[in-house]
Amino acid sequence: NAGVTQTPKFQVLKTGQSMTLQCAQDMNHEYMSWYRQDPGMGLRLIHYSVGAGITDQGEVPNGYNVSRSTTEDFPLRLLSAAPSQTSVYFCASRPGGTDTQYFGPGTRLTVL
Amino acid sequence: GQQLNQSPQSMFIQEGEDVSMNCTSSSIFNTWLWYKQDPGEGPVLLIALYKAGELTSNGRLTAQFGITRKDSFLNISASIPSDVGIYFCAGQIQGAQKLVFGQGTRLTINP
Repeated sequence: NAGVTQTPKFQVLKTGQSMTLQCAQDMNHEYMSWYRQDPGMGLRLIHYSVGAGITDQGEVPNGYNVSRSTTEDFPLRLLSAAPSQTSVYFCASRPGGTDTQYFGPGTRLTVL
Repeated sequence: GQQLNQSPQSMFIQEGEDVSMNCTSSSIFNTWLWYKQDPGEGPVLLIALYKAGELTSNGRLTAQFGITRKDSFLNISASIPSDVGIYFCAGQIQGAQKLVFGQGTRLTINP
C-alpha cells in the first residue's frame, strides 16, 4: 500500500512549456485534490474531484486543468507554464465520509 | 476565498517549553484538523476534531474545537527537537466538501 504517490519530485520548466504532474493513490479513496504551497500562503486548493469523472475548481484554478478518468489517478496539467506557477504542488486523497486527508510527498516546480 | 487566520506565523522556543497556536474563521466549521509538515514532505494529520467543545490528545499534543465552531487551538507540551516543522490547521465549512487551510505556524526549537 503505497498511499499517495506523486511524480516527478522536481521539475524545471521554461515559460510557455506544458507538463503534467502525476498523482496516484491505491487506497480506493473517492476524494482527490491538488494544492499549491507558497511561502506564507499555506496550502491553496487548485482543483478537486469527488469521484471518477467528476472534477471542480478550487480557490486558484486558473492555468491548471485536471481530469479523473479512474479512481486511482488525478493528473494536473499546466498548459502554458508561467513563473507565477513556481511552487510546491501537493496531491491529496481521502475516503468519502471522512476528513482524514492523506498527502503525497509533493512536486517542486520551478518555471523560468 | 474563505480563509483561516492562523497565529502565530512563527515561533522560536527552547526545548522543553510548551507551545500554543490557534486558528480562527468567520465561518462555522464542521471539522477542524491539525497537520504537521516536515521539510520536504507532505503534511501529516495529527488530530481531527468533529464536535464543538471537543478536546482531543495525541501524546504531547492537545487540540480543542472551539465552542463557537469558529476556532481551534493546538498545544504541544514539553517540546522536543523533532517537533520542529510547520503546523497547519484545516477546516471543513458546514455544507462544503472542500478543506480550507490556515497559513501555517513555523516552529523552531533551540536545543
